[in-house]
Amino acid sequence: GEDVEQSLFLSVREGDSSVINCTYTDSSSTYLYWYKQEPGAGLQLLTYIFSNMDMKQDQRLTVLLNKKDKHLSLRIADTQTGDSAIYFCAEVGAGGYNKLIFGAGTRLAVHP
Amino acid sequence: GAVVSQHPSRVICKSGTSVKIECRSLDFQATTMFWYRQFPKQSLMLMATSNEGSKATYEQGVEKDKFLINHASLTLSTLTVTSAHPEDSSFYICSAPGRAAEAFFGQGTRLTVV
Repeated sequence: GEDVEQSLFLSVREGDSSVINCTYTDSSSTYLYWYKQEPGAGLQLLTYIFSNMDMKQDQRLTVLLNKKDKHLSLRIADTQTGDSAIYFCAEVGAGGYNKLIFGAGTRLAVHP
Repeated sequence: GAVVSQHPSRVICKSGTSVKIECRSLDFQATTMFWYRQFPKQSLMLMATSNEGSKATYEQGVEKDKFLINHASLTLSTLTVTSAHPEDSSFYICSAPGRAAEAFFGQGTRLTVV
């Protein structure tokens, strides 16, 4: 079946890079996503990557995709306190676009 | 980017009453919307797919008589939690597909049943 796994917690120092990892099981996923959720709020789409890409960079965010290992990572350069949030990895489920299967979320804590 | 507005953001209701949550696409039309439920410190679980002009499609284990979905127009989907119980307390989030592979989420509704 479809499953997405993430580590639950990551703590980094302000100014360092953060790397959040995710593994997924559905090799037919066409798109993989990273969402950010701040406390009590909805989800904000950070970035997504098409399955035929290895890397995508958008300002401080770098997404790496290893399709062979079904491994996705999100790197945040120069992590700031405002980056503290929960980050969800998601893949497209069998229902097609936007029927997303989410990981449990990684709570990123940024400390001085 | 596209905006999805969800209302209310927070609601407290008594056991046995019903609560309606609205999800609107503000600057685009959405023939399909998705309703998710999120328990504390857990991920989002898809509850149902709302289809404009037809019946919603529910995921396995979700009671369709308990969670009524109506998608009456191309910009509005509603989720009604009927005869709410404390175990229905949760964070409910809707989303609507955008162009290409994007999905836009509402702000979420925190429901507390007392």
